[in-house]
Amino acid sequence: DTEVTQTPKHLVMGMTNKKSLKCEQHMGHRAMYWYKQKAKKPPELMFVYSYEKLSINESVPSRFSPECPNSSLLNLHLHALQPEDSALYLCASSQGFGRDYGYTFGSGTRLTVV
Amino acid sequence: DQQVKQNSPSLSVQEGRISILNCDYTNSMFDYFLWYKKYPAEGPTFLISISSIKDKNEDGRFTVFLNKSAKHLSLHIVPSQPGDSAVYFCAASWGNQFYFGTGTSLTVIP
Repeated sequence: DTEVTQTPKHLVMGMTNKKSLKCEQHMGHRAMYWYKQKAKKPPELMFVYSYEKLSINESVPSRFSPECPNSSLLNLHLHALQPEDSALYLCASSQGFGRDYGYTFGSGTRLTVV
Repeated sequence: DQQVKQNSPSLSVQEGRISILNCDYTNSMFDYFLWYKKYPAEGPTFLISISSIKDKNEDGRFTVFLNKSAKHLSLHIVPSQPGDSAVYFCAASWGNQFYFGTGTSLTVIP
């Protein structure tokens, strides 16, 4: 398996809802990443997990809460989002943090906040 | 299945020479293609793009070529500079979905 799988592919949620995005890889990668991509812009790094520990939090608002239950799974819990949080959320993984060999992106979750 | 493939994980080029990074895709629905550059511990930054109605787009030292019949994309950097050393990702999109290649690590040797 050489893929990063993200579910769901599309999500519409209200501002009072709680939802979660899921990312899974079975390549033995030890670093996993969440990115946010707005239209016509490059992906912005949100969080980095290295060996299941949070290594980087790029000043992301607390309404986004990452979780890494095991080395294959990365979740992003969403609560009380704003319409401006609507974007494509991309997950990626690599063999190790800072070593970009084997860097693999998922195809993203398209999130719409209404 | 990987819809966008970069078959060379790494490339080394002498300073001043041309760097050619390649990318292949499988989905003929893709209508927009991009190249990103990434330094360690940072997110990818946009470099150059091309829509499917063109076969070439040039921006300074960077040129992207698109061969739709071969489903092949390439990035040419001329002349290569040490600061160009990074990982380069190609990406393809149609509709709301983006698909990324796995990257090619370019090292430009002074």
